[in-house]
Amino acid sequence: EVVLTQSPGTLSLSPGERATLSCRASQSVDSDYFAWYQQKPGQAPRLLIYDTSSRATDVPDRFSGSGSGADFTLTITSLEPEDFAVYYCQQYAFSWTFGQGTKVEI
Amino acid sequence: VQLLQSGPEVREPGASVKLSCKASGYSFNDFYLHWVRQAPGQGLEWVGIINPTSGIPSYGEKFRGRVTITRDTSTTTIYMEMSNLKSDDTAVYYCARGMEFKYGFFGFWGLGALVTVSS
Repeated sequence: EVVLTQSPGTLSLSPGERATLSCRASQSVDSDYFAWYQQKPGQAPRLLIYDTSSRATDVPDRFSGSGSGADFTLTITSLEPEDFAVYYCQQYAFSWTFGQGTKVEI
Repeated sequence: VQLLQSGPEVREPGASVKLSCKASGYSFNDFYLHWVRQAPGQGLEWVGIINPTSGIPSYGEKFRGRVTITRDTSTTTIYMEMSNLKSDDTAVYYCARGMEFKYGFFGFWGLGALVTVSS
């Protein structure tokens, strides 16, 4: 099983600041098979990024994804109040696994 | 696209539960469908997938032998039955739509169904 490890566990930032979230895989993952999701309390996850760097429909361009091999990054260039949430990475090259999540808090 | 899930369930340890997820707003046969669960305060865990055309499922290793995923094309509904429930099966269970090909991301999610396992 491909294990995804996200860091940091919690990111404490202010609106307007830049957020950089990391996800490291236990083995190399094809960049066509990597995604990021956002989840707010009491809600289902929402797809943000797929295939490492493609934004899903209606996702603002302040969200961007990058990476290759075993290291992937989600960047939020300027945090809006609605961006404070938990973010999960996912690989779908070898079955489907998720990271444990990074909480972005105010 | 809508994924309408059944309501919350409460079961005792050792019992079974069967959840449903009705898909609408797209061609049911064209996209794989998944089940994902989330224990209280925890992360996301993939449970299994079903090919809606063939009806062939696949399961995460820890769920094999205890979970059965089926589909009904006449009602565009998938089901997940979990047997021999334990307290750590307490979780919100989501259905999610994958892609036209098996190994894809999850573009749409249901609202989830809380399963509580308690004596």
